Amino acid sequence: GAGVSQSPRYKVAKRGQDVALRCDPISGHVSLFWYQQALGQGPEFLTYFQNEAQLDKSGLPSDRFFAERPEGSVSTLKIQRTQQEDSAVYLCASSLALALPLTGELFFGEGSRLTVL
Amino acid sequence: RKEVEQDPGPFNVPEGATVAFNCTYSNSASQSFFWYRQDCRKEPKLLMSVYSSGNEDGRFTAQLNRASQYISLLIRDSKLSDSATYLCVVSLMAAGNMLTFGGGTRLMVKP
Repeated sequence: GAGVSQSPRYKVAKRGQDVALRCDPISGHVSLFWYQQALGQGPEFLTYFQNEAQLDKSGLPSDRFFAERPEGSVSTLKIQRTQQEDSAVYLCASSLALALPLTGELFFGEGSRLTVL
Repeated sequence: RKEVEQDPGPFNVPEGATVAFNCTYSNSASQSFFWYRQDCRKEPKLLMSVYSSGNEDGRFTAQLNRASQYISLLIRDSKLSDSATYLCVVSLMAAGNMLTFGGGTRLMVKP
């Protein structure tokens, strides 16, 4: 499809396991964002890429979280030694523009729902 | 204090009713404002931008009050299909390119 694609859609991990979540943005979209959405909450910013450069990672909650976008297209969010509080939906979003467009339109994927037992 | 605050609801209204949501933001330097809609277990989607002069899109009207730092969304003639969570969103260029989301207000329109 032409939208943002995320995989896996659902992931159950045991506490302490490492997980990797993948995002395929819309082709040609320069900007890519990761957000974390806990149940009943709004999305919380994690990190932002412009092409392959990670320009903002201020939202990553701990050094167990790591994101990369080595070729400026697909991105991976990795969580090491998962904890129960990491359980959430991880949303990826992309945007065509270099700077946040005035329309404010980010195109989100359907998310990866992580449950840590 | 969260940067963007919303009443979580739920707002339960009958079809045809008019309903209004408010949102407050803490950073007076915020520059752009939006409403997103999120259906249950789906991704957020842009509903509309919010301009200082106020703007309307069909049954939806958005208003911005910079002095009081609040944003509103009015939905007229509610439809069953309007049932969703409405997310108030602000952006601040000095903070880079991120959008900051409120916690969302849940709307349920009943027949």
